[in-house]
Amino acid sequence: DSGVTQTPKHLITATGQRVTLRCSPRSGDLSVYWYQQSLDQGLQFLIQYYNGEERAKGNILERFSAQQFPDLHSELNLSSLELGDSALYFCASGTYLAKNIQYFGAGTRLSVL
Amino acid sequence: KNQVEQSPQSLIILEGKNCTLQCNYTVSPFSNLRWYKQDTGRGPVSLTIMTFSENTKSNGRYTATLDADTKQSSLHITASQLSDSASYICVVSEGYSSASKIIFGSGTRLSIRP
Repeated sequence: DSGVTQTPKHLITATGQRVTLRCSPRSGDLSVYWYQQSLDQGLQFLIQYYNGEERAKGNILERFSAQQFPDLHSELNLSSLELGDSALYFCASGTYLAKNIQYFGAGTRLSVL
Repeated sequence: KNQVEQSPQSLIILEGKNCTLQCNYTVSPFSNLRWYKQDTGRGPVSLTIMTFSENTKSNGRYTATLDADTKQSSLHITASQLSDSASYICVVSEGYSSASKIIFGSGTRLSIRP
C-alpha cells in the first residue's frame, strides 16, 4: 500500500459528461501529480501541484482542470468527455526533499461510452 | 531536450533466466534516476533510486546500475519469476526544486514464460 488513495476505482460515463477524480496524498507529502495512461501506452504527465499551487503542467487538455485543497487532497476535473479520454488516471504524491520519490495510487479507470 | 529512452520495448524470457533492461537519458541537470515496476492496471511501484554518486543499487533480485558519465542505466533481473511480468519504467529527475521536472521513459514490457 503506497499510502496514496484514489477514488473512485472505476468510473463509467457517457460522452459529453463531466467527472471528478479524487486523490488523497501520503501523510506529509506536499506534491501531487496527475498522470493519464491510455491502453498499452506510457504514463503521460498532466499536472503537478505543490502545497496548493500549480507547479508544472504537462499535456493537459483545456477540458481538464485540477486543484489542490488546503488539506492537500487534490481533484482532477474532466469535462466534455470524449471516447478518447477513456484511460487509467493515476495520482502520485511526493516531496522533492526525498529525492523526488513519487508514490502512486492504484488509479481510477475511466470508461467513456 | 530532456529525454529518457528505454530498450528494448518488449522482452520475452523463460522463467528462471536473467535479463537486463536499458535506459539512456539526456536529462540535465541530473538529480536522480529511478526504476519502477508497473503491473498491468496497477500503479507503478518504486524498485530503486540512485543519485549521481551511486553506481549500483539492489532490491532483492533487481539490481540497477548507473553510469552518470555516459548517462546510462540498466536494470538486471536475476532468476526471473512469473510475477516479474510487468512494465519497467525508467524515470529521471531534473534539478532539486519543488518544480523540478520528472521525465518518464516509455517503459519495457517484460513477459516471463513458464
